[in-house]
Amino acid sequence: TQLLEQSPQFLSIQEGENLTVYCNSSSVFSSLQWYRQEPGEGPVLLVTVVTGGEVKKLKRLTFQFGDARKDSSLHITAAQPGDTGLYLCAVHFDTNAGKSTFGDGTTLTVKP
Amino acid sequence: NAGVMQNPRHLVRRRGQEARLRCSPMKGHSHVYWYRQLPEEGLKFMVYLQKENIIDESGMPKERFSAEFPKEGPSILRIQQVVRGDSAAYFCASSTYSGTLREQFFGPGTRLTVL
Repeated sequence: TQLLEQSPQFLSIQEGENLTVYCNSSSVFSSLQWYRQEPGEGPVLLVTVVTGGEVKKLKRLTFQFGDARKDSSLHITAAQPGDTGLYLCAVHFDTNAGKSTFGDGTTLTVKP
Repeated sequence: NAGVMQNPRHLVRRRGQEARLRCSPMKGHSHVYWYRQLPEEGLKFMVYLQKENIIDESGMPKERFSAEFPKEGPSILRIQQVVRGDSAAYFCASSTYSGTLREQFFGPGTRLTVL
């Protein structure tokens, strides 16, 4: 069974603080996506990483793909209330597989 | 151009009725995926379809659930004889075939409530 774990499950911080959330797998995966989901809406794609060791930045968000291709992290600098939401990672374990395996997500609350 | 479209957004059914959920992929996308999400959980894969073909249905319950993606028209997820445990948000995603990237873009979901 290929497992995908996200941590922490819940995170509540004050506006302006930094945070990091993690996504870890028991197996090597071929690509990983990070999504953000707001209540009542579908997940919105933030980034895709495919190369071990890859780092991508999207404004205040920094995404890192582990060298061993089994883990990833999302770091947010100077969090804002608008960052509040459910952050999901999704992976493909097999380059021929269509489906994505999702973690259970990190629920982030940023208080003003 | 609209993204992935799903309808209805909300659906209420009584136990034993049928639920039909529709999904129109993004323009140019020929791959459709259905996922189910329970409150405060991640998305669980159900089925992956291309036009007129089911590619992977490993996440579909063996009974009462079926999916199709006809040559013309939207993809349909059908749940027969619904039970309370079917209450959840059902999301559709679409993609082009793009090798290892295979980025999936999601619709707004259909929230099914079974009374």
